[in-house]
Amino acid sequence: AQKITQTQPGMFVQEKEAVTLDCTYDTSDPSYGLFWYKQPSSGEMIFLIYQGSYDQQNATEGRYSLNFQKARKSANLVISASQLGDSAMYFCAMRETGTGGFKTIFGAGTRLFVKA
Amino acid sequence: GAVVSQHPSRVICKSGTSVKIECRSLDFQATTMFWYRQFPKQSLMLMATSNEGSKATYEQGVEKDKFLINHASLTLSTLTVTSAHPEDSSFYICSARDPRGNTGELFFGEGSRLTVL
Repeated sequence: AQKITQTQPGMFVQEKEAVTLDCTYDTSDPSYGLFWYKQPSSGEMIFLIYQGSYDQQNATEGRYSLNFQKARKSANLVISASQLGDSAMYFCAMRETGTGGFKTIFGAGTRLFVKA
Repeated sequence: GAVVSQHPSRVICKSGTSVKIECRSLDFQATTMFWYRQFPKQSLMLMATSNEGSKATYEQGVEKDKFLINHASLTLSTLTVTSAHPEDSSFYICSARDPRGNTGELFFGEGSRLTVL
């Protein structure tokens, strides 16, 4: 069963505008972590932001904020004031407890295109 | 943030040969490392969890004898693709968690692009 769902294969945003990338998740663990990573065309994975399942406040890191709605099991990433360099693949991920301990699984990703 | 280094970044090999990819944590000790595989334009699929000093834990559907993982020290894990075939061509990327952190975020290596001819 799909545990991390990203329904937007691709998104376009105008430079300097804000954009929301959707992510929903499914887990029965009471304790879990949610992450967003950016993958430019070079292939490296860049950590952006983290939200713990017990965190009361939505996480923010500079231009990135995470809209965490626990009851709806959603963890959308909001990028404010988009820049051309934000064009990349974005992955939502969840850390959960597996048979071998903690492991992190990834959604299908959303490719963001920032237009000048 | 913590640094994870992966080598080689690109490798081309002939069908039937074996290829070893190294993953090193440069500024922290990692008792656990994770190996992912990524096909073009697709997500990262967890292949296995590498455990220092013990056997790796493989995800369902991943052939243990095909993808040999060794975690001989607290800073090095290796993935060996044995008897490689063209269908093994992919982007392999390793990661580790910095035990000094409190979020559990993964730090990734640069990735290794394998092409099997």
